[in-house]
Amino acid sequence: DQQVKQNSPSLSVQEGRISILNCDYTNSMFDYFLWYKKYPAEGPTFLISISSIKDKNEDGRFTVFLNKSAKHLSLHIVPSQPGDSAVYFCAASWANDYKLSFGAGTTVTVRA
Amino acid sequence: NAGVTQTPKFRVLKTGQSMTLLCAQDMNHEYMYWYRQDPGMGLRLIHYSVGEGTTAKGEVPDGYNVSRLKKQNFLLGLESAAPSQTSVYFCASTRTGLTEAFFGQGTRLTVV
Repeated sequence: DQQVKQNSPSLSVQEGRISILNCDYTNSMFDYFLWYKKYPAEGPTFLISISSIKDKNEDGRFTVFLNKSAKHLSLHIVPSQPGDSAVYFCAASWANDYKLSFGAGTTVTVRA
Repeated sequence: NAGVTQTPKFRVLKTGQSMTLLCAQDMNHEYMYWYRQDPGMGLRLIHYSVGEGTTAKGEVPDGYNVSRLKKQNFLLGLESAAPSQTSVYFCASTRTGLTEAFFGQGTRLTVV
């Protein structure tokens, strides 16, 4: 049973607009959340993370929001650029667990 | 700085054949992981290791074995390959369980 769910397999957005990717989790023990970006034929690369003591973390054009009561997090990309076209994975972990649980991924396509 | 290196990058096996995938990291990380990526399934953990000489099962360990004889290397073995093991395999390493994971470029394995 997947503990991390990304219910939107794909997202298409126009260049310059905002991309919003959503992620839900079921395990209330999770206290650390990450987003990874993956290009074809490459391994995933770390994008941004947030711990459960925060509700927002920002890094340049990327912002992650965490709503613990709803067990929901989202990644905002503003403004979207063509180089942002990739698969984005949401992942979660918790202290003493040592491993990450990943969602199925959302493919983002940024249109010129 | 090589990071995480996987060998080989591509392989085609016949059903019943065996092979070993090698993962090497040069970051002195304690934790290492093997994931498989399948369409619509995201990244699923096969086995992981929290230090030299240790291994543990992940979500989908059946049909695979691992060894971590040296801190920098994590080997994934398939004793008798099956078509269901056709997938892209990623190795990852982290300094601790709650830090970002660094991934290799992946191994595309096809079992015919």
